[in-house]
Amino acid sequence: DGGITQSPKYLFRKEGQNVTLSCEQNLNHDAMYWYRQDPGQGLRLIYYSQIVNDFQKGDIAEGYSVSREKKESFPLTVTSAQKNPTAFYLCASIRTGDTGELFFGEGSRLTVL
Amino acid sequence: RKEVEQDPGPFNVPEGATVAFNCTYSNSASQSFFWYRQDCRKEPKLLMSVYSSGNEDGRFTAQLNRASQYISLLIRDSKLSDSATYLCVVIPGGYNQGGKLIFGQGTELSVKP
Repeated sequence: DGGITQSPKYLFRKEGQNVTLSCEQNLNHDAMYWYRQDPGQGLRLIYYSQIVNDFQKGDIAEGYSVSREKKESFPLTVTSAQKNPTAFYLCASIRTGDTGELFFGEGSRLTVL
Repeated sequence: RKEVEQDPGPFNVPEGATVAFNCTYSNSASQSFFWYRQDCRKEPKLLMSVYSSGNEDGRFTAQLNRASQYISLLIRDSKLSDSATYLCVVIPGGYNQGGKLIFGQGTELSVKP
């Protein structure tokens, strides 16, 4: 079955450590996104990519980095420069067809101790 | 002004009630609109797209008012299973471009017996 796979689902890290969250999709979608969600809040856009080898900053890109070397993969690195990294991270991709439905992975919960 | 703003929640309603949520957007050129549902600690999932002429899916009705720049979601005959957070999504460039998606902060609905 096609879908988006995020890993790990839960992650604990110490302050000052970089962390990379994986996002893989087999939906043949061109556009991929990373969002951050804090408790009781909506989704805030970190980075997005519309094609391979290209990506744009979202509203809260500081302290994060991404790469898009393959169409299927859009990993997110949470660097030590991110002041408040503890959050729920969601990866998504979109089909540029009839409905434009955004497909989400199950999310990664990062806790920085 | 936020790009996308939703009714603040939570909405607490009895089973069988009719409830309506509104979502305003600031970019008058926005072309695509959606309602997503997010259950607690889960990823958002598409509830329905919002078409210019309005559309209905069972107990759910979505409407778009371009003149006043808002979309609405009406839920009739609320069920306990409707309890969730409802997110509106606006795509300023249209879904065909796979561009930036903007989420509202979400409106929480709690349906009580």
